[in-house]
Amino acid sequence: EPEVTQTPSHQVTQMGQEVILRCVPISNHLYFYWYRQILGQKVEFLVSFYNNEISEKSEIFDDQFSVERPDGSNFTLKIRSTKLEDSAMYFCASSEALGGNQPQHFGDGTRLSIL
Amino acid sequence: AQKVTQAQTEISVVEKEDVTLDCVYETRDTTYYLFWYKQPPSGELVFLIRRNSFDEQNEISGRYSWNFQKSTSSFNFTITASQVVDSAVYFCALRNTGRRALTFGSGTRLQVQP
Repeated sequence: EPEVTQTPSHQVTQMGQEVILRCVPISNHLYFYWYRQILGQKVEFLVSFYNNEISEKSEIFDDQFSVERPDGSNFTLKIRSTKLEDSAMYFCASSEALGGNQPQHFGDGTRLSIL
Repeated sequence: AQKVTQAQTEISVVEKEDVTLDCVYETRDTTYYLFWYKQPPSGELVFLIRRNSFDEQNEISGRYSWNFQKSTSSFNFTITASQVVDSAVYFCALRNTGRRALTFGSGTRLQVQP
């Protein structure tokens, strides 16, 4: 069964450094998402991306965040200047474009630890 | 605004017991979509079931069943004859029509004891 893949599984970064989290969505999906989950807390929406542009973003997704689809398969989340509070599990997801009830399929996540 | 409440923080059952996970949601939209996801100890999020707001028919799929009641804004999920492998955190999620974002509840940790 096709799946969303994320790399790396764990990223350790010094505060203030830039980090790029990578995702390969399911190949025939057209909507892409990033969510985060701070340890022990609920999953929070960051951003959705469709047709090479952001379609929706949350208040969390401020100027230090950006997303990109650099080629036909990868989808990346960049955090420009990391803060301690950015430590979380980051999930990438994708869904088919048609149908309101199409589920979002999630990757295994990247655990980001900011030191 | 939309909100999902999972009042049960943690549930512990013995294998083969049935268990129901509660989910109550709030939304102003008349059309919306509800989902359940499972997060096992390994950390990934696994899609389980979905329901449209305009379809209140309850269904059974294997050991899983769900009870959607629009009148009480509830979307409860039942596991029949629970197994140790069902031990995980279960999240209920809501998506309003016209939006892409999923709003998650805080999750219910289910522990199934052998």
